[in-house]
Amino acid sequence: DQQVKQNSPSLSVQEGRISILNCDYTNSMFDYFLWYKKYPAEGPTFLISISSIKDKNEDGRFTVFLNKSAKHLSLHIVPSQPGDSAVYFCAATTGGGNKLTFGTGTQLKVEL
Amino acid sequence: EAGVAQSPRYKIIEKRQSVAFWCNPISGHATLYWYQQILGQGPKLLIQFQNNGVVDDSQLPKDRFSAERLKGVDSTLKIQPAKLEDSAVYLCASSLGGGYSNQPQHFGDGTRLSIL
Repeated sequence: DQQVKQNSPSLSVQEGRISILNCDYTNSMFDYFLWYKKYPAEGPTFLISISSIKDKNEDGRFTVFLNKSAKHLSLHIVPSQPGDSAVYFCAATTGGGNKLTFGTGTQLKVEL
Repeated sequence: EAGVAQSPRYKIIEKRQSVAFWCNPISGHATLYWYQQILGQGPKLLIQFQNNGVVDDSQLPKDRFSAERLKGVDSTLKIQPAKLEDSAVYLCASSLGGGYSNQPQHFGDGTRLSIL
C-alpha cells in the first residue's frame, strides 16, 4: 500500500522557469511533510518541510504548499537552475521523530 | 557541523555471506534510523533507535538482519546470511529526537550493497 505517491517519475523544465513537483498521500494521520533532494551516489538532502497546521512554507527559491482536504502537497522551485537537477522525494510522518514514509521520487532535469 | 557518516560506501558479497555497516550520527542527535532503498523506490525504514533503545523495528527481517546502538551514538547494521533481494542502498539518518517535534532527519551517503 503506497501511502505517499509521486505520480510523475520525471519532469523537464527550462532554466529560469518554475518547477512544480507534486505529491499525494492517503494517510490522514500524517502531520509533517518533507521534501528531500538526492544527487547520484549521495544520500537524500533535506530541502524544506511543512507542518499540517500550515498551508505554505517558503525558503528562498523553494515553496511547499499543503492542501489537507485534497491530501496533496507540491514543491515549487522558482527560478529553476541547472544545479536543481536531481531526484526529489516527498516524505511524510505522523508526529515528530517517527519514521518517514517516502514516495518513489521525481527526476527533475533543468535544461539550459 | 559534521554530517552523518557511513562506511563502507560500497560492498560486494556473495549470497549467504554476512556483511556489516557502520553509522555515526550527527553529534547530539538522539534518534537514529536505518533505511533500505531498493532501486527505483523510496527509502523504507528498517529500524529506529532513540538513544540506545529500539523504537520501531517492525519492518526489520529479524531472521537475517540485526542492528545495535550500544552506547547511544554509533550504530551497526548486520545481515547474515545475505540474500539476492538484499541488494540495495542502506541509508543511516539521525534527528534530534527527544522532546523536539517536527525535526527533519538528516541522511548519510549510504552503503551500496551488491549481492552476487
